[in-house]
Amino acid sequence: EVQLVESGGGLVKPGGSQRLSCAASGFTFSSYTMSWVRQAPGKGLQWVSSISSSGTYIYYVDSVKGRFTISRDNAKNSLYLQMNSLRAEDTAVYYCAKAGYYDSRTWFDPWGQGTLVTVSS
Amino acid sequence: QSALTQPASVSGSPGQSITISCTGTSSDVGGYNYVSWYQQHPGKAPKVMIYDVSNRPSGVSNRFSGSKSGNTASLTISGLQAEDEADYYCSSYASSSTVIFGGGTKLTVL
Repeated sequence: EVQLVESGGGLVKPGGSQRLSCAASGFTFSSYTMSWVRQAPGKGLQWVSSISSSGTYIYYVDSVKGRFTISRDNAKNSLYLQMNSLRAEDTAVYYCAKAGYYDSRTWFDPWGQGTLVTVSS
Repeated sequence: QSALTQPASVSGSPGQSITISCTGTSSDVGGYNYVSWYQQHPGKAPKVMIYDVSNRPSGVSNRFSGSKSGNTASLTISGLQAEDEADYYCSSYASSSTVIFGGGTKLTVL
């Protein structure tokens, strides 16, 4: 069974940093693009970032470029999101999601349970 | 990139069919056959119901179907059941190498 377990969420002050992790199991992690998608409280979904299976190709939504860094460790079956210069509008549940098909970036299946990041003073 | 446009809410009675629309532009929905649909129950993670416009992942009921015409994609749920009550989101690959989601539609089963 494919499992994605996020961790690292919590309360952080504006301007601060947070690192999210996603532990993957049940599939060949190194063969799939992985992504982060977030959902602000009571709001819709927003794609944040994707990284290809080898880590060669990385993509970000404009609003996080220069502040967030996605990375992966295929030896540890883990995905990361380093978030710097956090703003109140970054407050959201952050979901880790596996590509529906290998290095496709067009659909996500499955998703982890999410980890809440709250940016507030 | 702006979010794709979905109706805020739709409703239907058990056994009926409903359709949720998702409107974008030629740079996203209209330009690629990469529209997917996700179901999200309260407090739960999203689950893919349709990918690549009209394909159903293994395990998803055939009551769910997808289509696209021009810049608008649609999700149809036939034979509505109480368990279908949830939020539904469309998404599309976009020309800027990004993925855009719709604002979400709340489905109420009356």
